Amino acid sequence: DGGITQSPKYLFRKEGQNVTLSCEQNLNHDAMYWYRQDPGQGLRLIYYSQIVNDFQKGDIAEGYSVSREKKESFPLTVTSAQKNPTAFYLCASSITGGPNEQFFGPGTRLTVL
Amino acid sequence: RKEVEQDPGPFNVPEGATVAFNCTYSNSASQSFFWYRQDCRKEPKLLMSVYSSGNEDGRFTAQLNRASQYISLLIRDSKLSDSATYLCVVIRTTTDSWGKLQFGAGTQVVVTP
Repeated sequence: DGGITQSPKYLFRKEGQNVTLSCEQNLNHDAMYWYRQDPGQGLRLIYYSQIVNDFQKGDIAEGYSVSREKKESFPLTVTSAQKNPTAFYLCASSITGGPNEQFFGPGTRLTVL
Repeated sequence: RKEVEQDPGPFNVPEGATVAFNCTYSNSASQSFFWYRQDCRKEPKLLMSVYSSGNEDGRFTAQLNRASQYISLLIRDSKLSDSATYLCVVIRTTTDSWGKLQFGAGTQVVVTP
C-alpha cells in the first residue's frame, strides 16, 4: 500500500529543545517537501528536495533543518531557533520536482509548551 | 498582495444545492492549477486538476480563466460529506525548473441538512 507516513502524529516540546519529525514515502517519488500550516493561513514551504542528497530552502526555512540521505526519507528538525514552532507540519512528495501535483502525509501537530 | 487569494467563507449550503467559489492568482506565469480538499485537522487531498478547457468529475466542475487569472470550483447536489475546506493550489516553474506551489488559505464549505 503506497503512501506517505509521518510520525509522530502529535508532539509536545519544551522551549529550547530540538525535535525531529519523520517523513517516509514508498511512492518512489523523487521530490519531497515540508510545509507548515497555521490557522487561517495557507501552507507555507519550509524546505524541499528534488533529489537525494540535495535540498533547498523554502519561504520560511529559518529555525529548521533537513536531510535527504535516502530517497524514501526526508526528516525535518525544528530547532530551538524557531521562534514560533507550534503548528501543523505536513510532508509531501511528487513524482518529480516539476509542476506536478503533490501528495501529503497525515501531518504532525507540534505544540511547544 | 498574496499570490493566491480565496474567500475564506464559510459558505453555508443546504444539502442538494449548488455552491461555487473562485480563487484568484496574481502571477501570470502560473502553469498548473489544482483544487485540494482538507478536512478538519487532516492533510490536504487532491480533489482535481484544473485544465484550460475546464473539467468535470462527477458533481464537481473546475474552470480556469487565464485572462482574468482565476479558477473556480462548482459543487452540484451538495452532500453532507462535502463539508470541508477547499484549497486552491497554483504552480509555476521557477528558474531552476522546479514546480513552486502556492496555496490559498482555503474556502470553507458547510453543507447543512
